[in-house]
Amino acid sequence: QVQLQESGPGLVKPSQTLSLTCSVSGGSISSDGHYWSWVRQRPGKGLEWIGYIYYSGSTYYNPSLKNRVTISVDTSENQFSLRLSSVTAADTAMYYCARVEQLGDTHAFDIWGQGTMVTVSS
Amino acid sequence: DIQLTQSPSFLSASVGDRVTITCRASQGISSHAAWYQQKPGKAPKLLIFATSTLQSGVPSRFSGSGSGTEFTLTISSLQAEDFAIYFCQQLSPYPRKVAFGGGTKVEIK
Repeated sequence: QVQLQESGPGLVKPSQTLSLTCSVSGGSISSDGHYWSWVRQRPGKGLEWIGYIYYSGSTYYNPSLKNRVTISVDTSENQFSLRLSSVTAADTAMYYCARVEQLGDTHAFDIWGQGTMVTVSS
Repeated sequence: DIQLTQSPSFLSASVGDRVTITCRASQGISSHAAWYQQKPGKAPKLLIFATSTLQSGVPSRFSGSGSGTEFTLTISSLQAEDFAIYFCQQLSPYPRKVAFGGGTKVEIK
């Protein structure tokens, strides 16, 4: 059974870069038909898609974050990563990694990590 | 830019009630929706994908329907463990973007 686990600093200073890694276990990140995504949730708010990546390296980003986001994949380590630059307090959120199953012309986030809280503060 | 509006944003219901949550898209550019349940302190859980397909292990009291710009999640008989926040989600293919609805909090009456 595929499981995802986020890791990374829980505190980031303003203007710095937030870096998180999602480790995939129980299955291969190189499996066909799956994207690997980051989603965040500000305290008390809804879900915000950050972006996702295919094992080949193809990426799709939320246009509202595109200028600051980089998602990368390391197939040898079976993990993928998020970098969000120039962070502000508005980037304080619970960050989830998730597997996205491609289903024809749609898809669904079928497996989620437990999430990691990141606070932006000096 | 696709926007998803859920209604109601909050509802109070009793065990055994039939509950319906609606998700309206600002544009009819996706033929499908997915629904997620989130309990306090937990990650979201996929309930329904491709509008009406139940994810494995999800009780049959959950169902989904809809087309065009309106999609619904129905809980036929609300159980105690169903009190949670529910989110809808769509994929806009061109340009590719994922949108989530704002959420519907289901609380005990």
